[in-house]
Amino acid sequence: AQSVTQPDIHITVSEGASLELRCNYSYGATPYLFWYVQSPGQGLQLLLKYFSGDTLVQGIKGFEAEFKRSQSSFNLRKPSVHWSDAAEYFCAVGARGSNYQLIWGAGTKLIIKP
Amino acid sequence: SQTIHQWPATLVQPVGSPLSLECTVEGTSNPNLYWYRQAAGRGLQLLFYSVGIGQISSEVPQNLSASRPQDRQFILSSKKLLLSDSGFYLCAWGKTHYEQYFGPGTRLTVT
Repeated sequence: AQSVTQPDIHITVSEGASLELRCNYSYGATPYLFWYVQSPGQGLQLLLKYFSGDTLVQGIKGFEAEFKRSQSSFNLRKPSVHWSDAAEYFCAVGARGSNYQLIWGAGTKLIIKP
Repeated sequence: SQTIHQWPATLVQPVGSPLSLECTVEGTSNPNLYWYRQAAGRGLQLLFYSVGIGQISSEVPQNLSASRPQDRQFILSSKKLLLSDSGFYLCAWGKTHYEQYFGPGTRLTVT
């Protein structure tokens, strides 16, 4: 069965430091890959997506993610975080033929230290 | 551009009361529509999805139901709420490549 793992429940980084959030998936083929961000009490916003082609994708708010087929990973990165990046981040996978459903990771809460 | 609306934003209901949450999408036609729930501190749980008017698929057996009376309208209902129905309810729409776009959510507290 397909699954998505975000191994870090919480991550704390200092403002201005770099960030990497991990996402691993289990799927037999190349899936559609997504990162979403959720600020407290709000809906989810799509940060970036990967369908095919260049494995390094750029998203909004200065985020990028790299698809590594050999590691079944799609890690999210940002070179320098801002206090406004404090939120929960969700990785999701769209498995082809799954009736348009996304398989979701459990989320990683990002805490920013001043 | 497309917009998704949800209302109400917050709701406090007693146990055993009915529920109706509404979601509408503007700026697109024949979208796929989804209802999710987030319990406090938990991830996303898909409740229902719809690929067309009157077509509803349920992912989790429970006392909730969904309906899609119009192309861009998705309604989540319950006849009798349980305490365990408390949570943050999110509606989303999608079309191609599985990407989904979310509404602002409804915070439901069952007392």
